Amino acid sequence: AQKITQTQPGMFVQEKEAVTLDCTYDTSDPSYGLFWYKQPSSGEMIFLIYQGSYDQQNATEGRYSLNFQKARKSANLVISASQLGDSAMYFCAMMPLSGGYNKLIFGAGTRLAVHP
Amino acid sequence: DVKVTQSSRYLVKRTGEKVFLECVQDMDHENMFWYRQDPGLGLRLIYFSYDVKMKEKGDIPEGYSVSREKKERFSLILESASTNQTSMYLCASSREGSRGRAYGYTFGSGTRLTVV
Repeated sequence: AQKITQTQPGMFVQEKEAVTLDCTYDTSDPSYGLFWYKQPSSGEMIFLIYQGSYDQQNATEGRYSLNFQKARKSANLVISASQLGDSAMYFCAMMPLSGGYNKLIFGAGTRLAVHP
Repeated sequence: DVKVTQSSRYLVKRTGEKVFLECVQDMDHENMFWYRQDPGLGLRLIYFSYDVKMKEKGDIPEGYSVSREKKERFSLILESASTNQTSMYLCASSREGSRGRAYGYTFGSGTRLTVV
């Protein structure tokens, strides 16, 4: 079965500190993509970062980096220097590529609260 | 600015009503998706479409149908609304991926549907 697991329903962090949001995935597909999305209280889903299963290096986008450990099937999101505006829901998602149709499978999400 | 537009931000309907949720994208994307989002469950795929007039069931299609008569428009239909369909509904679109490369979704801002 293809599945995304986010074990942290809620996290909090002090402003300017770094935080890691956990994500593990399960798939037998050799080719897949991993995504992180942010959902503020306004409800929009904002793309943060992407990692391909064959990418050799961990993806980075500004303050976001993805700690990709393929053997452990984990794709943790690291946010450096947290800001108050980072308070939101964060979703990890996976897209198996062999079957077509580009379907994204989402985890249950982690609610991050950044405290001043 | 490219976008996915959902026709209503908030909607209140009565049990048994037929409900139409509309979604329009201006990016010429092949793929379109309808998800529902519930606390603790993340986003679950209802239906998707990879071409005009083509549709595929997602993980939770029961009680829903869809229509895609034009490439840019994907409609979700609740044939007879029930209270357990009270949820946030998110529409998304994506371009067609290629082997080894996944493309993420662009999401609409969501429709919060309440069935009373």
